[in-house]
Amino acid sequence: NAGVTQTPKFQVLKTGQSMTLQCAQDMNHNSMYWYRQDPGMGLRLIYYSASEGTTDKGEVPNGYNVSRLNKREFSLRLESAAPSQTSVYFCASSVGLATGNTIYFGEGSWLTVV
Amino acid sequence: QKEVEQDPGPLSVPEGAIVSLNCTYSNSAFQYFMWYRQYSRKGPELLMYTYSSGNKEDGRFTAQVDKSSKYISLFIRDSQPSDSATYLCAMSGTNAGGTSYGKLTFGQGTILTVHP
Repeated sequence: NAGVTQTPKFQVLKTGQSMTLQCAQDMNHNSMYWYRQDPGMGLRLIYYSASEGTTDKGEVPNGYNVSRLNKREFSLRLESAAPSQTSVYFCASSVGLATGNTIYFGEGSWLTVV
Repeated sequence: QKEVEQDPGPLSVPEGAIVSLNCTYSNSAFQYFMWYRQYSRKGPELLMYTYSSGNKEDGRFTAQVDKSSKYISLFIRDSQPSDSATYLCAMSGTNAGGTSYGKLTFGQGTILTVHP
């Protein structure tokens, strides 16, 4: 089972460039999330989608946009990359947004902005 | 002050040792408590899941929640080199209006190394 699949795995961007991180899940989950992980900061929520057709800001949304393309896919876009966006990005999904639902993570995307 | 505090370590123990990992939190609305394990260059995977206060045991792993002290722990008995990973605590709960929200708040993660 693939679970949550993210692409690309690694990417180097120059400051000001744009890019989109792709995420797809095959578990028929309703809710999807984008987190970033930085040393000493743990995982921080960027954006989430409670269900198809809805998106909401998380803890650190500035500099990012998202699109819930369909039930399976949830993309994260950096319009004008900055060095502060160098991080590891994780897509995740869960059955629903209700408290207590297990969240399943992808393998991560390592992004470096120079 | 962060909502969830976790000692980042690193923690290094010999094989067979009992490991204790801990988190403290400030938000009394948290009701669901989880421990995730993350191997190097991988995504986090759910290890233990506990609702409200109490203990939960799964093999060599025991999760404890003390809501009165806002303190959670994960114990690993007979630790193995394969337990070497980063351990993240995570929490979620309902807001003051009683509406549930499933967004997790994570601790910083504790790096654990179990050496043979």
